[in-house]
Amino acid sequence: AQKVTQAQTEISVVEKEDVTLDCVYETRDTTYYLFWYKQPPSGELVFLIRRNSFDEQNEISGRYSWNFQKSTSSFNFTITASQVVDSAVYFCALSETTGFQKLVFGTGTRLLVSP
Amino acid sequence: NAGVTQTPKFRVLKTGQSMTLLCAQDMNHEYMYWYRQDPGMGLRLIHYSVGEGTTAKGEVPDGYNVSRLKKQNFLLGLESAAPSQTSVYFCASSYSTGATGEQYFGPGTRLTVT
Repeated sequence: AQKVTQAQTEISVVEKEDVTLDCVYETRDTTYYLFWYKQPPSGELVFLIRRNSFDEQNEISGRYSWNFQKSTSSFNFTITASQVVDSAVYFCALSETTGFQKLVFGTGTRLLVSP
Repeated sequence: NAGVTQTPKFRVLKTGQSMTLLCAQDMNHEYMYWYRQDPGMGLRLIHYSVGEGTTAKGEVPDGYNVSRLKKQNFLLGLESAAPSQTSVYFCASSYSTGATGEQYFGPGTRLTVT
């Protein structure tokens, strides 16, 4: 069965620090998709990235970067030079490609960025 | 273009009462989902729909029913509310299946059952 583990429940940093959010997943599928979502204090979930299992290239989008390592079943998310607006709960999710292909979410990591 | 909207935003029920949560999307998406979010448990799929007139059970369907009579609407019903159903409920929709399709989420409904 598929599973996503986000071991960090809460992380506190000071503005401008770099921070990495860990995500470890389990799946028996050879083809799957990984996602990151952001949930700001307003409550709505915002899509950040989708990565398929065949693409292990790291991705950078502004201050955000993602490190996908199949060998360790990890899909970590780094925020460079964090800002107060980055304060949110971040969810990692996995979708297999067999059956309905539902999204399975991790329990989330709450990031607090203080000025 | 409103995206995904949910009605109501907040609700308090007494044990045994019933209610219906409404989700509407204006993106012509085929797939719609209902999740519940509980502290420390992430989001869990309650029911989903792959098209108008079709619904299926997710991970935690007990105590809930759903209907998708129109493509743009997905209703979640609680026939006899229980305190264990106190949660934040999110609706989502996507153009394609979960693996390749980004899911767009509504703002959530906070439900308290006393």
